[in-house]
Amino acid sequence: AQTVTQSQPEMSVQEAETVTLSCTYDTSESDYYLFWYKQPPSRQMILVIRQEAYKQQNATENRFSVNFQKAAKSFSLKISDSQLGDAAMYFCGFSSNTGKLIFGQGTTLQVKP
Amino acid sequence: GAVVSQHPSRVICKSGTSVKIECRSLDFQATTMFWYRQFPKKSLMLMATSNEGSKATYEQGVEKDKFLINHASLTLSTLTVTSAHPEDSSFYICSPGGDGETQYFGPGTRLLVL
Repeated sequence: AQTVTQSQPEMSVQEAETVTLSCTYDTSESDYYLFWYKQPPSRQMILVIRQEAYKQQNATENRFSVNFQKAAKSFSLKISDSQLGDAAMYFCGFSSNTGKLIFGQGTTLQVKP
Repeated sequence: GAVVSQHPSRVICKSGTSVKIECRSLDFQATTMFWYRQFPKKSLMLMATSNEGSKATYEQGVEKDKFLINHASLTLSTLTVTSAHPEDSSFYICSPGGDGETQYFGPGTRLLVL
C-alpha cells in the first residue's frame, strides 16, 4: 500500500523569502504521479504542481518548484518569493493511474508580512 | 481545469436524518467519482470510489450502508449519509476520476449533525 508522509505540521516564512515543504512517500509502483495541492481557508483544493514519476526533470510553475528524488522517494515543494496569498494548508499527494489520490497529513504555511 | 460543483455547500441536520450531497462534473464525463472526507485541520481521506452504472467500492473502515453512493450518470454522483450522527459531521469533497494525471476537486460540502 502506498503512503505519503509530511513531517512538518506547520511552517512559517517571511514575505518574499523562500520556503521548502517536505514530503516522502512509499510505493512499489514505478509509474505514478505526485502532486502538491493548496487548500486555503475556503477549503477548495487547488492544484499547485504536478510531477510524473517517469520524468527526471523537476516540475516548475512560476514561483513553485519541486525537488523530486525518485530513488529516495522524496518530493519537496519550494516556494520562492513567498506572498501573503500563499498562506494555506499544503497537501502532498500520490496517484497511480487509477486517479485515486493518497494525501499526506498536510503542512500549514504561515506567511509573515 | 475541470469544473466540479457540489450541492449543498453547507447543511445542518438533526441526528437520525439522512442527507444527500450531489456532485456534478460540469465539463467532462466522469466514469469514476472519488469521495473524500476531511475533518478539521486534518488530511483528506478517501471514503469510496463510485463507478457509473455499477456499485461503488469502499475503503476499509467505511460503512457502505451508512454512506450510500449512486453514480447514475456520467456527470452526477451522489453521496447520502443515512441516519446521520454528530460524529459524521465533516467536510465532504468529491473528485471526478481521470487518468491519474490531474485530479480536480469540488468545492466541498460542510455537514453539521446536531
